Amino acid sequence: AQKITQTQPGMFVQEKEAVTLDCTYDTSDQSYGLFWYKQPSSGEMIFLIYQGSYDEQNATEGRYSLNFQKARKSANLVISASQLGDSAMYFCAMRDPRSARQLTFGSGTQLTVLP
Amino acid sequence: ETGVTQSPTHLIKTRGQQVTLRCSSQSGHNTVSWYQQALGQGPQFIFQYYREEENGRGNFPPRFSGLQFPNYSSELNVNALELDDSALYLCASSSSSYEQYFGPGTRLTVT
Repeated sequence: AQKITQTQPGMFVQEKEAVTLDCTYDTSDQSYGLFWYKQPSSGEMIFLIYQGSYDEQNATEGRYSLNFQKARKSANLVISASQLGDSAMYFCAMRDPRSARQLTFGSGTQLTVLP
Repeated sequence: ETGVTQSPTHLIKTRGQQVTLRCSSQSGHNTVSWYQQALGQGPQFIFQYYREEENGRGNFPPRFSGLQFPNYSSELNVNALELDDSALYLCASSSSSYEQYFGPGTRLTVT
């Protein structure tokens, strides 16, 4: 069974600074996909970034980058130059290779950006 | 913009009642997944529909059922509501790519 662990229930960061949100995963599959989603208080899950298990390069999307360390089974999200609008809940998720669209989510990290 | 819409936004039901939640997928997306997100937790996969057929199910009892229509919109039905069914219900649509687009969710309260 797949499992996602996010050990930081809450994080604070000063505006314009970088922050790293931790995610570790557990799977016996060789092929898998890792995602990060942002969930503002409105409830909608917003896709941020994706990393495939066979991708050799770390994924980047604008201010978001994914620090993928396969041997350690970690997929940390790095947000550079934090903005006040980044304050939200962040979820790490893994795609089940047997069901291409099914995601297993972690418990999330509440990020607060301070002015 | 995701283009995925859900209705209603909020709903209050009494224990034992039945509820139907609706989801319109993004144009061109043939797969719809439903998730339940209890307060303070990550979303849990309920089931997925692909071209009107159930295509995967999580650990939810049979009183959670669904439908997908020819236009790929979908319904989630929950019978015999329990207090623990109170949650945010999220719908996500996708096509052939890995990316799932989520709707804004329906917040269900069972009293």
